[in-house]
Amino acid sequence: GENVEQHPSTLSVQEGDSAVIKCTYSDSASNYFPWYKQELGKRPQLIIDIRSNVGEKKDQRIAVTLNKTAKHFSLHITETQPEDSAVYFCAASISGAGSYQLTFGKGTKLSVIP
Amino acid sequence: GAVVSQHPSRVICKSGTSVKIECRSLDFQATTMFWYRQFPKQSLMLMATSNEGSKATYEQGVEKDKFLINHASLTLSTLTVTSAHPEDSSFYICSARPDGADTQYFGPGTRLTVL
Repeated sequence: GENVEQHPSTLSVQEGDSAVIKCTYSDSASNYFPWYKQELGKRPQLIIDIRSNVGEKKDQRIAVTLNKTAKHFSLHITETQPEDSAVYFCAASISGAGSYQLTFGKGTKLSVIP
Repeated sequence: GAVVSQHPSRVICKSGTSVKIECRSLDFQATTMFWYRQFPKQSLMLMATSNEGSKATYEQGVEKDKFLINHASLTLSTLTVTSAHPEDSSFYICSARPDGADTQYFGPGTRLTVL
């Protein structure tokens, strides 16, 4: 089955700096890669996703890049703010056919220091 | 759009009792819903895939007779933890996939504490 590795497990940045979280996946058939943000005790919220026919996607301060050959994808947050502090999860799935099950990374706890 | 509700948000029960958790997609139809369990400071662990009109698919190691899943309609899936024990205490989260989409939207979760 699919295996998703996520690094780093914790990340501290100064407010205004950029943060980068990296994930690798094992199943070359995976074609959908969402990123979720989870604040303590709350639900995971989708912040951005990317499909395998696209190499990069951007939404304001958040961007995701995908390298299908190397089987890795990354989340980039620019101009970080204290409210960006949360746990971020990457995930991978095979969409279009099959179960659409998400395989999650272990998460990255991001702390933005004011 | 794409709102998922989950009830109850918190439940405390005695060992041996059964607890039912409801997951509803409020503004979309979802043939497929998912149930996860999350331990403190850990990732989401998929328990089962709930399919409307058919039996749920359970992940390896998840007891189907203990965690009963019913997907009664295109907007409702329920998880019943039968004969709950303290080791079942956890944060249970559901997600729903809008029909025709590949994105999953999560419910707010249910904190189960078994005494």
